[in-house]
Amino acid sequence: KAGVTQTPRYLIKTRGQQVTLSCSPISGHRSVSWYQQTPGQGLQFLFEYFSETQRNKGNFPGRFSGRQFSNSRSEMNVSTLELGDSALYLCASSWGQGGSDTQYFGPGTRLTVL
Amino acid sequence: KQEVTQIPAALSVPEGENLVLNCSFTDSAIYNLQWFRQDPGKGLTSLLLIQSSQREQTSGRLNASLDKSSGRSTLYIAASQPGDSATYLCAVRARTNAGKSTFGDGTTLTVKP
Repeated sequence: KAGVTQTPRYLIKTRGQQVTLSCSPISGHRSVSWYQQTPGQGLQFLFEYFSETQRNKGNFPGRFSGRQFSNSRSEMNVSTLELGDSALYLCASSWGQGGSDTQYFGPGTRLTVL
Repeated sequence: KQEVTQIPAALSVPEGENLVLNCSFTDSAIYNLQWFRQDPGKGLTSLLLIQSSQREQTSGRLNASLDKSSGRSTLYIAASQPGDSATYLCAVRARTNAGKSTFGDGTTLTVKP
């Protein structure tokens, strides 16, 4: 079974631009969560999607948004990029909703904002 | 608000040694606790998941325990190898807002040959 895939793996953007990251969960998994990882803040929860609906949201500004498609693939978008948005963005998939299942993470997208 | 702490932040041991990594959390109303390893610049690899009703889980040389009442978990690594060198993270899912995992800052382990 293929693991969680994320594209692109690396991105370089400039301040003020916007970016879209993509995540394909493990086949059969319907829950996708997104996390931001930085050296200073560690891993911070962004949001969780299940069956195309956002179920949980972390404490990030409205510039961070996401969506999930009917095939469970998910995208996250960051508008008006700031230098502080430079981070490793990780997505995780699990089978169901509710938190009882193992989370499997993708390799991440490394975003650099100049 | 759930807070997760991992001590020590870094650990260096000689090859072959048995070792214990610690994870503590403030809210004992959890769904489960999951241990991960992360290699530099890479994603997270799941090691063990312990449900709130369980006391421990084992996989190969790894054993994770959970004491929900005291808010603690330990990851025991037997007969450590240089390939075990990585950052180990624990993550807790609380019963409120169960879709969110709260992570510790990790313990960076170095196993010297």
